[in-house]
Amino acid sequence: EIVMTQSPATLSVSPGERATLSCRASQSVNSRLAWYQQKPGQAPRLLIYGASTRATNIPARFSGSGSGTEFTLTISSLQSEDFALYYCQHYNGWPLTFGGGTRVEIK
Amino acid sequence: EVQLLESGGGLVQPGGSLRLSCAASGFTFSIYGIYWVRQAPGEGLEWVSAIGGPTPNTHYADSVKGRFTISRDNSKNTVSLQMNSLRADDTAVYYCAKRGPEYYLESWGQGTRVTVSS
Repeated sequence: EIVMTQSPATLSVSPGERATLSCRASQSVNSRLAWYQQKPGQAPRLLIYGASTRATNIPARFSGSGSGTEFTLTISSLQSEDFALYYCQHYNGWPLTFGGGTRVEIK
Repeated sequence: EVQLLESGGGLVQPGGSLRLSCAASGFTFSIYGIYWVRQAPGEGLEWVSAIGGPTPNTHYADSVKGRFTISRDNSKNTVSLQMNSLRADDTAVYYCAKRGPEYYLESWGQGTRVTVSS
């Protein structure tokens, strides 16, 4: 099983600042990496797939990078609606696994 | 617009059974894989099971293998998750999700809550 590790667990950022979230895989997942956003009481929403491709209707301030075992989600200028939980997930074989999540909170 | 609607959650005693359903609309259901993912209270996301589209191969997390069974009815655009021998650690919100062109989870339902408790 591929273990996905996200860091930091919590990120405190001021509105308008940049947020950088990390995700590490225990072995290569190539570019088969997705990012999801989850707000309280809501289902997760796909942000990024293929490590760097934004999903439909996702704002350009969200960007993903990386391949192999190291990945980054960057939110270039945090808006109030971006304060949420973020999960990475690999899909390079079974079982699919998620990282533990990064909470982005208002500083 | 893709819509996924889960149902069937509720309170069940340890050792009991429950059948969850996911009703889909807004896309050609038969050609897309469907996943179940769960989230225990205050915890992260855990993939549970998947069923393919054109070829309905099934996959399960080790934590549910032998207890849960996923199936689909393409005539009714539904996927079911039969959950047997339920344990307290199966307590979670269960989401169904539609697979994208690759194996990521492109669209999600709003979830159904399962509580296993005596």
